[in-house]
Amino acid sequence: GESVGLHLPTLSVQEGDNSIINCAYSNSASDYFIWYKQESGKGPQFIIDIRSNMDKRQGQRVTVLLNKTVKHLSLQIAATQPGDSAVYFCAENGSGGSNYKLTFGKGTLLTVNP
Amino acid sequence: DTAVSQTPKYLVTQMGNDKSIKCEQNLGHDTMYWYKQDSKKFLKIMFSYNNKELIINETVPNRFSPKSPDKAHLNLHINSLELGDSAVYFCASSQDDRAPGAFFGQGTRLTVV
Repeated sequence: GESVGLHLPTLSVQEGDNSIINCAYSNSASDYFIWYKQESGKGPQFIIDIRSNMDKRQGQRVTVLLNKTVKHLSLQIAATQPGDSAVYFCAENGSGGSNYKLTFGKGTLLTVNP
Repeated sequence: DTAVSQTPKYLVTQMGNDKSIKCEQNLGHDTMYWYKQDSKKFLKIMFSYNNKELIINETVPNRFSPKSPDKAHLNLHINSLELGDSAVYFCASSQDDRAPGAFFGQGTRLTVV
């Protein structure tokens, strides 16, 4: 399958459970963060974003938490469904002071077992 | 209506050839990007344009040349293709510099043989 040889961090959960995907960022100057979902054969899809003046933001079934002290971002998915299976990326801006550039994390492969 | 559309979706070509990938966005955004995703799923920005002006060029070999005829289009031309150019190339657009790279196209899988 497509995941063979990828060596991505993986998270496997049961349908209906909550999922937490973590991301560490390195640039303390970053002021804007986005979580993306990428399904097999598709482009990254925007899920939720957060600015550095916030520490929590909620969407539909998703919550993003930002801890600037330890430079950590997490994505919580409530009641995970099989359709949530995908690779999830965090992205930050502010690297090098540019507001036009996103730097992506490595990605986490989420597998939801029915 | 597809917000960010790229063509072709798949491209198989021989080493040394020159090829182009086209991208169009119908969102009225000012900024467009090209990203490269390697076999390990790592996504890295290559270029960005704001209102047809080159803003970011991330030390991409000069065999890669982006062209923006207007702010709704950003094409990528690649000369003298090499095996290492095989990857998935994504076009993206964002409304402005405060919301970078929010919308991605479906990608073009380039295979150089």
